[in-house]
Amino acid sequence: AQSVTQPDIHITVSEGASLELRCNYSYGATPYLFWYVQSPGQGLQLLLKYFSGDTLVQGIKGFEAEFKRSQSSFNLRKPSVHWSDAAEYFCAVGAGGSYIPTFGRGTSLIVHP
Amino acid sequence: NAGVTQTPKFQVLKTGQSMTLQCAQDMNHEYMSWYRQDPGMGLRLIHYSVGAGITDQGEVPNGYNVSRSTTEDFPLRLLSAAPSQTSVYFCASGLLTSGRPGELFFGEGSRLTVL
Repeated sequence: AQSVTQPDIHITVSEGASLELRCNYSYGATPYLFWYVQSPGQGLQLLLKYFSGDTLVQGIKGFEAEFKRSQSSFNLRKPSVHWSDAAEYFCAVGAGGSYIPTFGRGTSLIVHP
Repeated sequence: NAGVTQTPKFQVLKTGQSMTLQCAQDMNHEYMSWYRQDPGMGLRLIHYSVGAGITDQGEVPNGYNVSRSTTEDFPLRLLSAAPSQTSVYFCASGLLTSGRPGELFFGEGSRLTVL
């Protein structure tokens, strides 16, 4: 079975600074990888996904993520954070043959002005 | 386009009461699921469905019941509420895509408190 770890429970950055949120997965074959964002009081929204091909994927709201098979990682990045990016971010991994993704425990992003 | 609609948004129950959380989607998605979100625990899958008449258990199914009589609706029933079921519940739906997970579309959540 697949699993996913988000090592950071909270991340604090200043507005305008760069951001990297970590995600590590465990799965024997090529995984299907997702990042979702949850704004306060809202449901989750897909930021980006990786299924195959180019290992650097672009998403909405200026986010990107890079799949690194050698490190079993799919870290989320943004070059310049805006105050509106303050939210909870979830990494998810799925396996071939299953419709069900496994979610990480989430990373809470705090943005200081 | 309404997407995934959950009702109610807030509910307070007493221990032992039963209730149903409603979920409806208008995107003709075959796959629907219920998650609960608790602090520090992320999202945990309660039940899911891959089509009308087909349901299965997820990671934490005890105390919950589901049915799927139509493509659009996937209600979650709490049979006898317990304080441990105090949580935020999310319904999510998506297309079934050839043996892999696809994008999920989430409702805005239902916050349940059991006293």
